[in-house]
Amino acid sequence: AQSVTQLGSHVSVSEGALVLLRCNYSSSVPPYLFWYVQYPNQGLQLLLKYTSAATLVKGINGFEAEFKKSETSFHLTKPSAHMSDAAEYFCAVTSPQGAQKLVFGQGTRLTINP
Amino acid sequence: DTAVSQTPKYLVTQMGNDKSIKCEQNLGHDTMYWYKQDSKKFLKIMFSYNNKELIINETVPNRFSPKSPDKAHLNLHINSLELGDSAVYFCASSLQRGLNEKLFFGSGTQLSVL
Repeated sequence: AQSVTQLGSHVSVSEGALVLLRCNYSSSVPPYLFWYVQYPNQGLQLLLKYTSAATLVKGINGFEAEFKKSETSFHLTKPSAHMSDAAEYFCAVTSPQGAQKLVFGQGTRLTINP
Repeated sequence: DTAVSQTPKYLVTQMGNDKSIKCEQNLGHDTMYWYKQDSKKFLKIMFSYNNKELIINETVPNRFSPKSPDKAHLNLHINSLELGDSAVYFCASSLQRGLNEKLFFGSGTQLSVL
């Protein structure tokens, strides 16, 4: 079975500071990994995805994530936080051999302090 | 133009009632999904349909019955509602059933069972 664990249910950073949201996955087969963002009262939107190509993946809004097989991690980063980045972020995993379903982490709420 | 639309946005009802949530996508996608997000923001897939065919049916009580009259619509009917059914239900769609397909989510239906 596949799973993801997001370390920290709540992360708070200052505007302009580095954003780091942690995600570790568990999968017995090579995974596909995703980051989704959920703004208040909205559905989830895809930020970026890793599907066994380049290990450093760039997404929308200046976010990027790096797949590290040795650490089973797929952490999300952004060099400089903006107030508009405040949202809930979800890491998710699936695999080429698995059924067509995403398994989501429990989410990390990102708060930006002015 | 809304890509994935769900109605109603809010649904408050009594235990034991039967209710439906409707979902429509105008993206021309082949695959549609229902996800449930509980009070702790944990998001889990319930069902997936591809071209009106059920392809994913997670361990969901049979009080939940999805119906896909055409590939642009996926409705969710819930019989004999229970307190534990209170959650936010998200409809989503993807172009195809591929594992790395981007999901487009609706804005959710907040169901409260009293």
